[in-house]
Amino acid sequence: AQSVTQPDIHITVSEGASLELRCNYSYGATPYLFWYVQSPGQGLQLLLKYFSGDTLVQGIKGFEAEFKRSQSSFNLRKPSVHWSDAAEYFCAVGANYGGSQRNLIFGKGTKLSVKP
Amino acid sequence: DGGITQSPKYLFRKEGQNVTLSCEQNLNHDAMYWYRQDPGQGLRLIYYSQIVNDFQKGDIAEGYSVSREKKESFPLTVTSAQKNPTAFYLCASAEGAKNIQYFGAGTRLSVL
Repeated sequence: AQSVTQPDIHITVSEGASLELRCNYSYGATPYLFWYVQSPGQGLQLLLKYFSGDTLVQGIKGFEAEFKRSQSSFNLRKPSVHWSDAAEYFCAVGANYGGSQRNLIFGKGTKLSVKP
Repeated sequence: DGGITQSPKYLFRKEGQNVTLSCEQNLNHDAMYWYRQDPGQGLRLIYYSQIVNDFQKGDIAEGYSVSREKKESFPLTVTSAQKNPTAFYLCASAEGAKNIQYFGAGTRLSVL
């Protein structure tokens, strides 16, 4: 069965420090992979997506993610975290659901706190 | 501005009452989705619709109903059969085979 695991429930980093959020997926074929961010009480905003090709993808707000097929991972990174990055981050995989139509399966999220 | 509008932002349900959450999009997307979000649980799919007048159950459809009479609209009804309705509800729409989903701002439903 398709699944997404985000091993870290909560991460705290200092402002200006680098960030890496982990995401592991289980999917038989080539996956479509996504990272979303959610501020408290808000909807989800798409940060970046991977479909094929270059395994390092750039997103909005200075984020990037690297697809590693051998490790079934799609980790999100940012070189220098800003206080405004404090939010919850969700990894998702596009998967077949009820037939040929792809849907999204979400991880349970990683909450990021930023220390001044 | 193109986007997805969910209303109301906050909703309260009395015991035995059905309530309807609105979701409207002007992105001209064919597909629309409803998710339920509980703390620490991620997003769970309630219903989805790939085209007008057609919809499919997701993972947790019991106690919920939907309709898709117009491309722009996908309302969700939380029925009295849903015994634990308190949650944050998110609507999304998507276009194309790659299913890139865009989300509304959500509705928080609480029980009185």
